[in-house]
Amino acid sequence: QSVLTQPPSASGTPGQRVTISCSGSSSNIGSDYVSWYQQLSGTAPKALIYRNNQRPSGVPDRFSGSKSGTSASLAISGLRSEDEADYYCAVWDASLSGWVFGGGTKLSVL
Amino acid sequence: EVQLLESGGGLVQPGGSLRLSCVASGFTFSSQGMNWVRQAPGMGLEWVSGISNYPSLGSTYYADSVKGRFTISRDISKATLYLQMNSLRADDTAVYYCAKMSGDAPAWGQGILVTVSS
Repeated sequence: QSVLTQPPSASGTPGQRVTISCSGSSSNIGSDYVSWYQQLSGTAPKALIYRNNQRPSGVPDRFSGSKSGTSASLAISGLRSEDEADYYCAVWDASLSGWVFGGGTKLSVL
Repeated sequence: EVQLLESGGGLVQPGGSLRLSCVASGFTFSSQGMNWVRQAPGMGLEWVSGISNYPSLGSTYYADSVKGRFTISRDISKATLYLQMNSLRADDTAVYYCAKMSGDAPAWGQGILVTVSS
């Protein structure tokens, strides 16, 4: 049981916009920055979003992040086949004194 | 370019020990908190341990699952992060990632496999 709650799966067709949610509490999302990671099959996680809505250099602007209260979302617009991957949210939890992750969302591009 | 390169993984028997290393480059190692994150086969990401940066340099944090068995440390002169793993169990089997998760531009290493089996 993960501290952060994500839907286990999501799907869309090429060109569509999809969103992935991440729900937490006041001790994590409600009080610190959220990051999002993409993990392609067999590879290491790659940062897509940090500090709620900032993109590292090289990440396309098709990827965007937002946060409101104790929930956060990752939006992917103009969906492409290469976006098929697992996506994780992460945030520091002040009560646990540690980083917590969502359980991951497997995105399928139909 | 930020780079993190892990080493030291492998096969170890239950109850054994292993030390992972992570050499960092491309950023000021001493001013960044660093972490170890693991992923068991077919499972999600699990944060294992972290070490803070200035001003609370050297404060360490552990997941309950590894507290008392694992020790995180860093050698700033070598820009290297370590994870000493003792009393290893089968459920410690995972790919272990070195990760810079806070500040600008989070970055992860490529991961190193640790297998605990007799």
